[in-house]
Formats: sequence, structure tokens, C-alpha cells
Amino acid sequence: DTAVSQTPKYLVTQMGNDKSIKCEQNLGHDTMYWYKQDSKKFLKIMFSYNNKELIINETVPNRFSPKSPDKAHLNLHINSLELGDSAVYFCASSQDCGSRVTICNQPQHFGDGTRLSIL
Amino acid sequence: KQEVTQIPAALSVPEGENLVLNCSFTDSAIYNLQWFRQDPGKGLTSLLLIQSSQREQTSGRLNASLDKSSGRSTLYIAASQPGDSATYLCAVVYNNNDMRFGAGTRLTVKP
Repeated sequence: DTAVSQTPKYLVTQMGNDKSIKCEQNLGHDTMYWYKQDSKKFLKIMFSYNNKELIINETVPNRFSPKSPDKAHLNLHINSLELGDSAVYFCASSQDCGSRVTICNQPQHFGDGTRLSIL
Repeated sequence: KQEVTQIPAALSVPEGENLVLNCSFTDSAIYNLQWFRQDPGKGLTSLLLIQSSQREQTSGRLNASLDKSSGRSTLYIAASQPGDSATYLCAVVYNNNDMRFGAGTRLTVKP
């Protein structure tokens, strides 16, 4: 039973398309996250969402938008894909600390990643 | 600028050796620091989380320390095993809600 699952595992598409990556967690966590890992393996947080509050990394283009149909899902929608969007995208979840600091002292559980390749 | 640096970038050791991985950060206003391991083609697995008020955390053969004043954390792995081979990432969460990862240390433990 995978705790945090992402689909698809691989996504190959052309520049200019719109695509979505799905993420589901069965851990009962309150907070979910999206990260981008670039070709140099640097990880950057993109969003954190705890069902009440969305915190966005200011460097993330507004072509990226997270959508949460329910507490167990946080999907990532990307519009007008660009070559620079090629990367591995990771979803994660954690317990919510109940404070204003969304990223709190709870360990995060990660999915296996989605490798996005833009042609 | 809130930067996180990990040294060395790669490390190869024989099985059974004790080793230390280093992480340094430029801003001492941290909320917590986490050590992760990443296996090829996989997501991150959280190993240890040290809150800003703590000095160290231990789990099995792993011990992580935190020295905010010097901007350093170390991950100590005792009696290394081939199964420890992975990339180890240090991540710092700052008080302003910003989270920064180091580039990682790629560890190979030879049988």
C-alpha cells in the first residue's frame, strides 16, 4: 500500500500543452506539498497546502496551479508547458502542526516522483 | 541569501566504516533541519528531523547534530552497509516558511 502515490510516473509532451499530475495520500495527513527537482538534482518547494491555506513559492510561474478536490489529493496543473519545465516533480504530505507555519516539525512522506519531459 | 551546502558531493567507503556527512547553511534563523535519503528513481525518505531548539536526533545507526550558531549539521552513519548507498539530502526550513535543499551527497558503500 503506497502511502503517497503520483500518476503518471513518466509524462512526455510537447511545448505549449496543458497537463496535470495527480497525487494521492492515504496517510490521513492534513498538509500536502509539491516539489520540483531539476536536472542538477536541486529540490525546490513549489506549494504547500493544508486545506485552509495555500502557500506559494514566489518563484513559481502562475502557469502552475495546485488543485485539491479533497484532503487526500493535491493535483498539479501546468498550462502552456515550456522546455524549462522538464524536471522530476515530487508530491509529499505531512501532519499539520496547527500553527501558522505551514511547514512544521512533522516529517514529510514523498511519492516516487513524476518525470516530465517537454519536447 | 539562504543557501544550503553539502560536502562532499560524493563519498565512497568500504562496508563497516563510520562516516560523516556535512551540511552548512548561511542563515541561522531556522525552524528545523531534516535529513533525507533518496534512492535512484524514488522519492525522498525522511531520516531525521531536528527542531531548532534541539541539538541532535538519533535513529538506529544514524545520528544527526545541529549547531545553529555555526550554521552546521552533520549526519553520522555508524557501521555503514551496502544498503546505505543512496543520495543524502539536507533540507532547512527557515522561520519565514522558506525551505531550501542542499545538492546532496552521493554515498556508495562497497561490500
